[in-house]
Amino acid sequence: EPEVTQTPSHQVTQMGQEVILRCVPISNHLYFYWYRQILGQKVEFLVSFYNNEISEKSEIFDDQFSVERPDGSNFTLKIRSTKLEDSAMYFCASSETGGYQPQHFGDGTRLSIL
Amino acid sequence: KQEVTQIPAALSVPEGENLVLNCSFTDSAIYNLQWFRQDPGKGLTSLLLIQSSQREQTSGRLNASLDKSSGRSTLYIAASQPGDSATYLCAVATQGGSEKLVFGKGTKLTVNP
Repeated sequence: EPEVTQTPSHQVTQMGQEVILRCVPISNHLYFYWYRQILGQKVEFLVSFYNNEISEKSEIFDDQFSVERPDGSNFTLKIRSTKLEDSAMYFCASSETGGYQPQHFGDGTRLSIL
Repeated sequence: KQEVTQIPAALSVPEGENLVLNCSFTDSAIYNLQWFRQDPGKGLTSLLLIQSSQREQTSGRLNASLDKSSGRSTLYIAASQPGDSATYLCAVATQGGSEKLVFGKGTKLTVNP
């Protein structure tokens, strides 16, 4: 069964450094999402992406964050200058048609900021 | 703003028992509701999706119901097994946005052999 893949599985970065999290969504899917889960807390929405542009972003997704679909297969989340509070599990998800189809999640990238 | 609540936060049952997990949401204008399973340190596995026009969905030993007007969903697990031990998350896709999911905090289920 097709799946969403995320790399790396664990990223350790010094505070203030830039980090790029990578995702390969399911190939025929059109809607892409990033979520994050701080340890012990709810999974929170960050951003949705459709037709090569952001369709919605949360208040968490400030100017330090950006997303890109650089080619037909990858979907990336960049954090420009990481803070300690960015430490979390970051999940990528994709969906075939948006609201009427399930979102499929990757295994996540655990980001640790030192 | 959509809020999702799951009760109980944790549940421990003996193997073989049938059990019900509860989820409630504040805004009934939803596209769908999805139940996920999360194992420790792992991603989210989609279990069932119920469209807003549906009342229930079944997959194997799992049955999920939806009462949109009252803002409630239940996940019924029949004949529980130790391999069912995990955290179960409920999430709703609210209309009027990008179909983003709003999650509950989850119910941590332990099935004891």
